This record gives sequence, C-alpha cells and structure tokens, in this order.
Amino acid sequence: GQQVMQIPQYQHVQEGEDFTTYCNSSTTLSNIQWYKQRPGGHPVFLIQLVKSGEVKKQKRLTFQFGEAKKNSSLHITATQTTDVGTYFCAGSRHNSGYALNFGKGTSLLVTP
Amino acid sequence: GAVVSQHPSRVICKSGTSVKIECRSLDFQATTMFWYRQFPKQSLMLMATSNEGSKATYEQGVEKDKFLINHASLTLSTLTVTSAHPEDSSFYICSAIPIPSGGVDTQYFGPGTRLTVL
Repeated sequence: GQQVMQIPQYQHVQEGEDFTTYCNSSTTLSNIQWYKQRPGGHPVFLIQLVKSGEVKKQKRLTFQFGEAKKNSSLHITATQTTDVGTYFCAGSRHNSGYALNFGKGTSLLVTP
Repeated sequence: GAVVSQHPSRVICKSGTSVKIECRSLDFQATTMFWYRQFPKQSLMLMATSNEGSKATYEQGVEKDKFLINHASLTLSTLTVTSAHPEDSSFYICSAIPIPSGGVDTQYFGPGTRLTVL
C-alpha cells in the first residue's frame, strides 16, 4: 500500500535557525497536506498542495510539491519558539473525500 | 468555523468494558468522517472511514467487530471500542471533511479522546 516517509524524525534548532522537513511517497499523490500538532494538542491543517511543482508560502513557511508529485518539503525560515511542535505531511492518492496517509512526523524543538 | 468536537476528552475504563466516543461537526455537515489512532510520539494511523448512511470502511488489521463505527447523521459519528483491553489505550482522533469541500480536502480534526484501559 501507499507509504509516506518523513524525515528527519526529530530536529533541534536554535531560535533564528532555519528548519526543513521532507516527505516522500512510494506512489504518486493527488495532493499532499501539511499539519502541525502542538504538544498535547491535535493536528491543525496548514496547507494543501495539488499541482506538480507547486510552491506556497505562509509567512516564514514555504511548502513545495515535487514535479513528480511524490515528494514535498516544508521549510521554516528563522524559527521561533512558537514553531515548536510536530509537523506531519499527509498524502492522498485520490481527488477528494479520501483518507490521508500520514508520515511519521518531524518533531521540532526550538530553544531560545 | 469548521469546528469538530469529541466527547469524552478522556476516559478510563476497566478491561472488558465498552467505551463510546462521539465525534461531532459543530458548524458544518460531513458525509465522510475518519477515525485515527495515535500512540505516544507516533503518527496518526487511520483506522476507518465513516460514511453517513452506510457501513464504515476499515483499514487492514483493524477489527470491525471490536471498533464499531456508526455515522448516524451528517454531523455525528461514533466509535465504540468493545471489550476494551489495555493495548487499546491510545489517543483516538476523528476528522471530517465539510460538504461542500470547495475543492480542498481539508480535514478538520477533533481534539481527540484519551482512552486508558486498566
């Protein structure tokens, strides 16, 4: 079945440093979504990428979807302590209304 | 908008008993809801897809007789863990896709239910 791999599993950075997490799928995806889960909280939707090669930005966050629609990345510029949490990518092979296969997540720790 | 609630938020039960968890979309309707399970420091694992008015679709390895799902209305899905055992202790999270989705398959997650089976 479809697998979504995510690396690294953990990342510890100093405040102000950049951070990147990578996501790879064994199959071509219809779309990929990114979620953030704060410690003790539930996943919160960040963004969805649909088009091949798509790049979207949200303030300090940059999301990319690979040309082959099998990989994606999330890059945070100049991390802040509020960025702490686990970032999950989740892929769907289908167009709509289907469940997501989540990556294992990357836990980000930012120290001041 | 797009708020999903879960009840209860925490439950402790004895081994062998059954526990019902409710998932409600508060300000939208959803024909499809999903149930996930998350073990500590692990990712979300899809258990089943709940479809309003029809039977749920279970993922491989998930016992449908143990995890009963009922999607009674466009705003409510329930998960019943029957004959719970300590290994069922986990964080259960539901999500829902609003209708109409507007072309974006955003899943809105509930706050989760922490189940502890003694």
